Formats: sequence, C-alpha cells, structure tokens
Amino acid sequence: DTAVSQTPKYLVTQMGNDKSIKCEQNLGHDTMYWYKQDSKKFLKIMFSYNNKELIINETVPNRFSPKSPDKAHLNLHINSLELGDSAVYFCASSHDRGRQETQYFGPGTRLLVL
Amino acid sequence: AQSVTQPDIHITVSEGASLELRCNYSYGATPYLFWYVQSPGQGLQLLLKYFSGDTLVQGIKGFEAEFKRSQSSFNLRKPSVHWSDAAEYFCAVANPTNTGNQFYFGTGTSLTVIP
Repeated sequence: DTAVSQTPKYLVTQMGNDKSIKCEQNLGHDTMYWYKQDSKKFLKIMFSYNNKELIINETVPNRFSPKSPDKAHLNLHINSLELGDSAVYFCASSHDRGRQETQYFGPGTRLLVL
Repeated sequence: AQSVTQPDIHITVSEGASLELRCNYSYGATPYLFWYVQSPGQGLQLLLKYFSGDTLVQGIKGFEAEFKRSQSSFNLRKPSVHWSDAAEYFCAVANPTNTGNQFYFGTGTSLTVIP
C-alpha cells in the first residue's frame, strides 16, 4: 500500500490556467506538507498543515493555496499558473509536529507550464 | 538561520568502491538530521536519521552516517557501492515550529556508479 500518494504524477498545462494536485496519506498522520523542488533539485517547503492550522512560507505566492478536506488529504491549488511554477511538487506527512518526527514523502507531481 | 550545505554537486564512484557524501549544517540548537535518497523519477526515501545518542547511525541499504558536532557535519557513508545506489541524495535538518516540523534540505548530491 502506498503511504503517501499524489495525483497526477505528471501535469502539463498552459500559462494562466488553474490546476490542483491531490495528496493523500494513509498513515494516520496529523501533519502534512507541500514542498517544491526546482530544476536545480533544491527542495523548499511551501506549507505545513496540522489540525487545520496552516503555516505558510512567506515566499510562496498567494496564487498557491492548500486545501485540506480532512486529515488524510492536503491538496494544492494553483491559480493563474506561470512558467516559473514548473517544478516537481512533493507532498509529505508526519505523525506529529515534533522535531523527531520523520516526514514521509509522496512520489512527486511533475508540473510543466507552457 | 538554519541551513544545510552539500558541497559536492556530483560524485562518480566505481561499483564496489566506498562512498562518502558530505553534509554540513548550520543550526543553533541540537540538530535533528536526516538523509534521504531520491531515485530517478521517484519520491524521497528516508535512509537514516539522527536525534541523539550514538553519533554513528545505521540506516537502510547498508548506509551509515556520523554526526560530528565539532565539525557541524553529518556525512553519509557506504563501504561498498552497488549500481542501484545511483540516485540523488539529500541531507536535511529539522526545524521545529509552533505548528510543525519544517525540513531544510541541502541542494543534493547526484551519485553516478560506474561498472
């Protein structure tokens, strides 16, 4: 069974469109995250979400909005896509918010904006 | 501010040779450190982690890492590399916040294994 899953795996779209990436974890974790991996392989956290409390990385444009219908899901919605949004987006989850909590990552969604 | 540096962007080793991937961190308190591996087209898989105690940490796939506070390092090692180890390796430090544990990743080291 996949612990953290993301859909779609690949997403190719036109500039200006709105798209969503879905993330689901079946680990019973309380905290979920979204990361962006750029073309240089650098991973940067975008959001963390715990018990309906959202922490936003201040460098993330407000075109990006996470939505959590329930504890097992944290979807990422992107409005007005730009060329610079092309990247691999990783969802992750952890049991709790403590420092010792390992984060488990999904397989990534490869987004290409044309 | 916390940060992680992986000085080697790319490393090539022969199959069967030993491997060491470098990681240096900057963190004010006791660091919680991780190594992840990313195979081509795949997500990140945890190799090992260090929180406290024994500074030599054993992980999966025959990897180990040693925490050296005096050098602010957490280098990853493997005595004999297999072709399947070719991947991207990321070191990370955990930064606790009020509502979550944020990871700061290094820029990664790409490992090529030649037969």
